[in-house]
Amino acid sequence: KNQVEQSPQSLIILEGKNCTLQCNYTVSPFSNLRWYKQDTGRGPVSLTIMTFSENTKSNGRYTATLDADTKQSSLHITASQLSDSASYICVVSDAAGNKLTFGGGTRVLVKP
Amino acid sequence: DAGVIQSPRHEVTEMGQEVTLRCKPISGHNSLFWYRQTMMRGLELLIYFNNNVPIDDSGMPEDRFSAKMPNASFSTLKIQPSEPRDSAVYFCASSLVVVPGYEQYFGPGTRLTVT
Repeated sequence: KNQVEQSPQSLIILEGKNCTLQCNYTVSPFSNLRWYKQDTGRGPVSLTIMTFSENTKSNGRYTATLDADTKQSSLHITASQLSDSASYICVVSDAAGNKLTFGGGTRVLVKP
Repeated sequence: DAGVIQSPRHEVTEMGQEVTLRCKPISGHNSLFWYRQTMMRGLELLIYFNNNVPIDDSGMPEDRFSAKMPNASFSTLKIQPSEPRDSAVYFCASSLVVVPGYEQYFGPGTRLTVT
């Protein structure tokens, strides 16, 4: 069964600090891995999309990495801001791109 | 661009009642997805359409759930009869094509509470 596991489930960081979120998956073969940010009460918004051949992709202060051999991805947030408080969801697409498997998300709280 | 539009934003209904959720995808997008999100199960894909045709409805929990897409600019998700365990946030998303790497844009969601 395809699975996507995220860790930690939640974390609290101080404004200005960095943090890294982890995503492990068993989807195989897969075509792409996405990180979404979901603010409370809103729909998810895409941060990055990486194909299996990409190792890293950045979007402002967000940097995602992918190791297709170990089936691991990480999302690094640099110089966190209060607006980074949200849930971050890792999503892996199957080879055909039609089936998405969602992780449970990591809830990030940035404190001043 | 107005983005994906969903209505209503909130719905409270009693068990046994029919519930209809509505979605207007982004103009020009040809794929539409219905998701359900709960604390226990996270985000789950219920069904998706390509060019108004249902492609995969394997995520629909049971026969009480049905979805239609009569045209490229409108879709509905109906629950009849509703049950308390259907309480969740239902998201609609659209994309240009259903191929790897194409972005899905989510609507704001409908929060459904069944009492």
